[in-house]
Amino acid sequence: AQSVTQPDIHITVSEGASLELRCNYSYGATPYLFWYVQSPGQGLQLLLKYFSGDTLVQGIKGFEAEFKRSQSSFNLRKPSVHWSDAAEYFCAVGAYYGGATNKLIFGTGTLLAVQP
Amino acid sequence: EAGVAQSPRYKIIEKRQSVAFWCNPISGHATLYWYQQILGQGPKLLIQFQNNGVVDDSQLPKDRFSAERLKGVDSTLKIQPAKLEDSAVYLCASSSARRGREQFFGPGTRLTVL
Repeated sequence: AQSVTQPDIHITVSEGASLELRCNYSYGATPYLFWYVQSPGQGLQLLLKYFSGDTLVQGIKGFEAEFKRSQSSFNLRKPSVHWSDAAEYFCAVGAYYGGATNKLIFGTGTLLAVQP
Repeated sequence: EAGVAQSPRYKIIEKRQSVAFWCNPISGHATLYWYQQILGQGPKLLIQFQNNGVVDDSQLPKDRFSAERLKGVDSTLKIQPAKLEDSAVYLCASSSARRGREQFFGPGTRLTVL
């Protein structure tokens, strides 16, 4: 069965420091992978997605993620964190059948705190 | 373009009462999803519509939850009767095949069952 693991429940980084959020997935075929961000009281906003091709994916707000098939990982990175990046981050794998859009399976999320 | 709209944003009810949530997807999006997000967890799909037909409702507790999408546009999710464990944020999302299958999420409805 498909699943997503985000091993870090809570991370605190200093403003200006680099960031890496971990994501591991379990999926029987080529995965479609996503990172979403959720600010308090807000819905989910897509940061970036991987469907195929280049394994290093660029997203919005200066984020990037690298797909590593051998490690079943899709870690999110940012070279310099801003205070406004404090939020909860969700990794998700998309299960698609017959070419139709299907459900997203989310990890439990990583809550990012940014200290001055 | 306007985003996914949901109402109400907050709802507090007592157990055994009923409640309904409304979602208006992005115009032209054929696929609509309802997710349940319990505190401390990632969203979990409850039901997926393609136009006005149900594609996946395998995780919908059908003894108390129901959903419909009349005319393939707006959708309503209902809980009757509510239980304490239904306290969660209910997220609606929509997608279009033309937009690379990206799901666009609404702000959610936070339900508290007392």
